[in-house]
Amino acid sequence: GQNIDQPTEMTATEGAIVQINCTYQTSGFNGLFWYQQHAGEAPTFLSYNVLDGLEEKGRFSSFLSRSKGYSYLLLKELQMKDSASYLCAAMDSNYQLIWGAGTKLIIKP
Amino acid sequence: ETGVTQTPRHLVMGMTNKKSLKCEQHLGHNAMYWYKQSAKKPLELMFVYSLEERVENNSVPSRFSPECPNSSHLFLHLHTLQPEDSALYLCASSQKAGSGGYEQYFGPGTRLTVT
Repeated sequence: GQNIDQPTEMTATEGAIVQINCTYQTSGFNGLFWYQQHAGEAPTFLSYNVLDGLEEKGRFSSFLSRSKGYSYLLLKELQMKDSASYLCAAMDSNYQLIWGAGTKLIIKP
Repeated sequence: ETGVTQTPRHLVMGMTNKKSLKCEQHLGHNAMYWYKQSAKKPLELMFVYSLEERVENNSVPSRFSPECPNSSHLFLHLHTLQPEDSALYLCASSQKAGSGGYEQYFGPGTRLTVT
């Protein structure tokens, strides 16, 4: 079956760095997406990886290893507004997104 | 502003009611999606429309009926729902369905409570 695993909850300190891991098992693979969702709001797109390696976008970076079925989202210089859920989603051979349950990130001062 | 709007934002309905959720996208996209989001569960894809044709129906109960009159509008018609259908219903759009690399843009969702 198809499956996405990511931690349920993580806590980090303002100004620090946090890495949110995601492992996936899908029938075929057409890329890995990360979304951010603040409580009560819509998910918003953060990143897309289809090739191995690190993609950097400001304070956020995303990494992909296709051979390991693994991705992570790296958040640097954490700010209180980064408190949110982070959703990992892998696109399968039918171009359908398979979603994880999300990682709730709590930032403490 | 994501360019995808949904109404109503909140809906409480009895199990015998009929209601509709509306979604509109202002992004010029060709694909639209309905998702169900329950607490601590992954997003569940319900329906996909590409160029106004339904291309995916993930074994959704018939009490949920989608309608896509044009590429900018999507409806979800609800009737005789069950309490377990209470959830956040999210609409999304993307440039294309059936192709990689196109991120989906989400609306704010409709919080549905079935009593």
